[in-house]
Amino acid sequence: DTAVSQTPKYLVTQMGNDKSIKCEQNLGHDTMYWYKQDSKKFLKIMFSYNNKELIINETVPNRFSPKSPDKAHLNLHINSLELGDSAVYFCASSQVTGSQYFGPGTRLLVL
Amino acid sequence: GENVEQHPSTLSVQEGDSAVIKCTYSDSASNYFPWYKQELGKRPQLIIDIRSNVGEKKDQRIAVTLNKTAKHFSLHITETQPEDSAVYFCAAGNPGNYGGSQGNLIFGKGTKLSVKP
Repeated sequence: DTAVSQTPKYLVTQMGNDKSIKCEQNLGHDTMYWYKQDSKKFLKIMFSYNNKELIINETVPNRFSPKSPDKAHLNLHINSLELGDSAVYFCASSQVTGSQYFGPGTRLLVL
Repeated sequence: GENVEQHPSTLSVQEGDSAVIKCTYSDSASNYFPWYKQELGKRPQLIIDIRSNVGEKKDQRIAVTLNKTAKHFSLHITETQPEDSAVYFCAAGNPGNYGGSQGNLIFGKGTKLSVKP
């Protein structure tokens, strides 16, 4: 009965590797988001997608690329991982004017 | 763009006391103000939200007030309990405003609330 789900829950990898995080929502929402939460717990928007179109692209490195195969999924692909990418990444979804609901988070550790 | 300031960064209260967390925002176009509670190791959970057409909203022990003129909004928790201990985030934005960063929710830096039994 999970509303917003993410996989994997934990991700440990070496610098320079490429990795993907998957997100799915079964709420029928129109918009999906990716957030980064750093070690100080700051929540920062990275991307949002509406109807499969990128509508807001914050100033994140182009090593990060969101991919949305359909309205219920928004995956995050990261190339050439760096130490500073270590963080918790949250996916979220909402209706056009509605509240955002977060996934459980993916804890990424880059060694 | 929008900037959200949140105070205090930490708050410690005795069980049964009230707790108040305050936020200010900069963009007068923001019209949606949610509050999230994040327990350790968990996801942010929406606990209450308010839109700019109302000044106050209450849900049991939790209330939120909004002063659009001063660009202030606050979270009030009454009769605090140990399970209220968590990090609380305020946010401000203009959902539905596409084509620009105003569609984003901008989060405050969080308040760590500790309720002592």
